[in-house]
Amino acid sequence: DAEITQSPRHKITETGRQVTLACHQTWNHNNMFWYRQDLGHGLRLIHYSYGVHDTNKGEVSDGYSVSRSNTEDLPLTLESAASSQTSVYFCASRQDQRYEQYFGPGTRLTVT
Amino acid sequence: RKEVEQDPGPFNVPEGATVAFNCTYSNSASQSFFWYRQDCRKEPKLLMSVYSSGNEDGRFTAQLNRASQYISLLIRDSKLSDSATYLCVVRRSSASKIIFGSGTRLSIRP
Repeated sequence: DAEITQSPRHKITETGRQVTLACHQTWNHNNMFWYRQDLGHGLRLIHYSYGVHDTNKGEVSDGYSVSRSNTEDLPLTLESAASSQTSVYFCASRQDQRYEQYFGPGTRLTVT
Repeated sequence: RKEVEQDPGPFNVPEGATVAFNCTYSNSASQSFFWYRQDCRKEPKLLMSVYSSGNEDGRFTAQLNRASQYISLLIRDSKLSDSATYLCVVRRSSASKIIFGSGTRLSIRP
């Protein structure tokens, strides 16, 4: 079955370290998204991509970057992790011309 | 003011009850509307899309009121397994990005 996966599922890192979270989908969706979810804020969009080599900033993109070298993967990199980036991170994807998004299981990141 | 607002709850209702909650949106040109369900420490999952004429899926009914800019979700004959947080999602007209509400927490008691 087609699916969307994230790894690692849990990560503890130190302030200042570079961290990369992986997202992989097998639906062949062009559109992929990264969100963070914090209490009191709901889901906030970090970065998104509409296809290979396309990336765009979301509402909370500072300190994060993404790259899209193929259809299946959209890794999220925290350049220099900060305690404010402790959160749950969700990756999502959707088909062209449809707006329902399908989410991965999430990565729980703690920055100490 | 947030673009999508929901009553955070919690709504605490007995099994078998009917429960309804609303979500308001501020952009009158919003195009697409959805309800997602999120269980504790899990990913959001699409519950249903909301169509202009309203739609039903088993015990769940979704309604859209464009004049008053809100969508609603009605759950009939609630089950213990309906306990979750329900997220309202709205797509702006000018972009394909979608906006998530902060969610309404529902707890069904035996």
